[in-house]
Amino acid sequence: QKEVEQNSGPLSVPEGAIASLNCTYSDRVSQSFFWYRQYSGKSPELIMSIYSNGDKEDGRFTAQLNKASQYVSLLIRDSQPSDSATYLCAVGNQFYFGTGTSLTVIP
Amino acid sequence: GAGVSQTPSNKVTEKGKYVELRCDPISGHTALYWYRQSLGQGPEFLIYFQGTGAADDSGLPNDRFFAVRPEGSVSTLKIQRTERGDSAVYLCASSLRLGSGANVLTFGAGSRLTVL
Repeated sequence: QKEVEQNSGPLSVPEGAIASLNCTYSDRVSQSFFWYRQYSGKSPELIMSIYSNGDKEDGRFTAQLNKASQYVSLLIRDSQPSDSATYLCAVGNQFYFGTGTSLTVIP
Repeated sequence: GAGVSQTPSNKVTEKGKYVELRCDPISGHTALYWYRQSLGQGPEFLIYFQGTGAADDSGLPNDRFFAVRPEGSVSTLKIQRTERGDSAVYLCASSLRLGSGANVLTFGAGSRLTVL
């Protein structure tokens, strides 16, 4: 399988701070990139998709893609305790997933 | 249906038994994916279908695993001679169509398989 690497964490940030999550991938020809959120015991749910280099913003979430460096990141502004979950990066048409980064937002 | 439906939600079986897991995708979704997720890990890609055909089955771990989608809708993941290492949550997901700019996955609730 194609490699998708994430720092497993755990990552802890105080409420209201910015959380930064990173992902690198090995397949240079990948054209589609996704961030999913997974609460404990639940299935992954889509947060954002990104297909072009640069930034894409949606509310408190910003995805950043750099195909030349083969990384994609997710920024969460004004983090809330409800953002505490595992964040999964997925790459390509087969949606290869990383191992996920566990985020805890401390009230 | 309104969402991706997976049955059974829980399955406990004995080592060596045969297991079938079923997935009913969102109506109109032509692409269907199977993943396996172990505790603390991300979903591991197994296979995906575009219509009735397996577009990529490179993630199936060995020949004990097989999946079908005979009519391009419901899919069944079949596991023969189950082993304790097969214990995991098996996730199914579907998307509108493969390779489009709007190709995003919607997951089912998963089938938790426990092999004793």
